[in-house]
Amino acid sequence: QVQLVESGGGVVQPGRSLRLSCAASGFTFSSYAMHWVRQAPGKGLEWVALIWYDGSKKYYADSVKGRVTISRDNSKNTLYLQINSLRVEDTAVYYCARDLSSGGGRNDCWGQGILVTVSS
Amino acid sequence: QSALTQPASVSGSSGQSITISCTGTSSDVGGHNYVSWYQQHPGKAPKLMIYDVSDRLSGVSNRFSGSKSGNTASLTISGLQAEDEADYYCSSYTSSSTLVFGGGTKLTVL
Repeated sequence: QVQLVESGGGVVQPGRSLRLSCAASGFTFSSYAMHWVRQAPGKGLEWVALIWYDGSKKYYADSVKGRVTISRDNSKNTLYLQINSLRVEDTAVYYCARDLSSGGGRNDCWGQGILVTVSS
Repeated sequence: QSALTQPASVSGSSGQSITISCTGTSSDVGGHNYVSWYQQHPGKAPKLMIYDVSDRLSGVSNRFSGSKSGNTASLTISGLQAEDEADYYCSSYTSSSTLVFGGGTKLTVL
């Protein structure tokens, strides 16, 4: 079955870096655009980044632009999110999601989420 | 990239209908038909319910329907059931090729 599994989260000090991974299975990963979406504790969903199916185009939320890099390795069926200069406000559950509409946001499959806590 | 505007909470009795609004601008909701609605139960990942304004994902009850007028999209849930109690989020594609979510609406079934 279609499955997305995030990993790489944990407790990190402010200013440090972290790379999240999202392992895909059960579908042709290289055919789909992918998103990262985050949710701070008790808050709503916040879109973070989008990467096209072939990695040729990437888009970022203004709130993370310049600190975050989305990437993918289609040979490994894996999506990544590199977050640098972590801030307390980056504390959130991070979800990866598959997009059926090539970036339009028809996100039909989500991972279970991975918690990132930024704290000294 | 301002969040789309949703009411913080709505409520309805079992069997009744409710509507959740999602207001944006001509750069997002009003300018595209890539509006989606998600249901999220506590501690769970969001679940896509409606996409492209009014299309239901396969397997989603026909009690859920979506529409759009100008810069405002709406989600209507008819015949409310206890299991509908959840948080609901709208999202829209934007003219900058990004996505934006609404602030979320907590639905309480009385």
